Amino acid sequence: DQQVKQNSPSLSVQEGRISILNCDYTNSMFDYFLWYKKYPAEGPTFLISISSIKDKNEDGRFTVFLNKSAKHLSLHIVPSQPGDSAVYFCAASAMDSNYQLIWGAGTKLIIKP
Amino acid sequence: NAGVTQTPKFQVLKTGQSMTLQCAQDMNHEYMSWYRQDPGMGLRLIHYSVGAGITDQGEVPNGYNVSRSTTEDFPLRLLSAAPSQTSVYFCASRSQGARYQETQYFGPGTRLLVL
Repeated sequence: DQQVKQNSPSLSVQEGRISILNCDYTNSMFDYFLWYKKYPAEGPTFLISISSIKDKNEDGRFTVFLNKSAKHLSLHIVPSQPGDSAVYFCAASAMDSNYQLIWGAGTKLIIKP
Repeated sequence: NAGVTQTPKFQVLKTGQSMTLQCAQDMNHEYMSWYRQDPGMGLRLIHYSVGAGITDQGEVPNGYNVSRSTTEDFPLRLLSAAPSQTSVYFCASRSQGARYQETQYFGPGTRLLVL
């Protein structure tokens, strides 16, 4: 049973528009959430994170929103650029799990020119 | 600064063969880990180490062995490869003192095919 779910395997967005990637989780003990970005033939790289004491965190074009009651988080990219085309992974950790990460399956974002 | 390096990049094995996936980091990180990534699934933790001489199992440890004799190296051993171990393997490292995973650095991955 997947504790972190990314239900959209892929997403296509026009360059310059907003990209919204979604992630749902089931474990209420998760208290920290991260987004990683992965290009082909490379390892994932950290993008942005959010603690459960916040509902929003912003870093440049990237904003992550957390809705604890719905167990849902989303990553907004505004404006979307061609270099944003990649696979985006949502991951979560709980303090009582030795901080091990539980990963979603990823969403492939394609930015169209 | 090389970061996290993995060798080989790609490997084909026959069922029953053994091999070692190499991982090295030059950032003096205490914490190192191995993940596998399968189609339609997220990364899953195989084994991890919090320092030289200390290793522990992750979510999917069966069929894999690890050792940590130095801070820099964390090899992953497949003693008798099975087709179910066909996957992409990522090694990662981070500073043990970091509560949060932002400082986790990944290698480029090893693609393994077991026939």
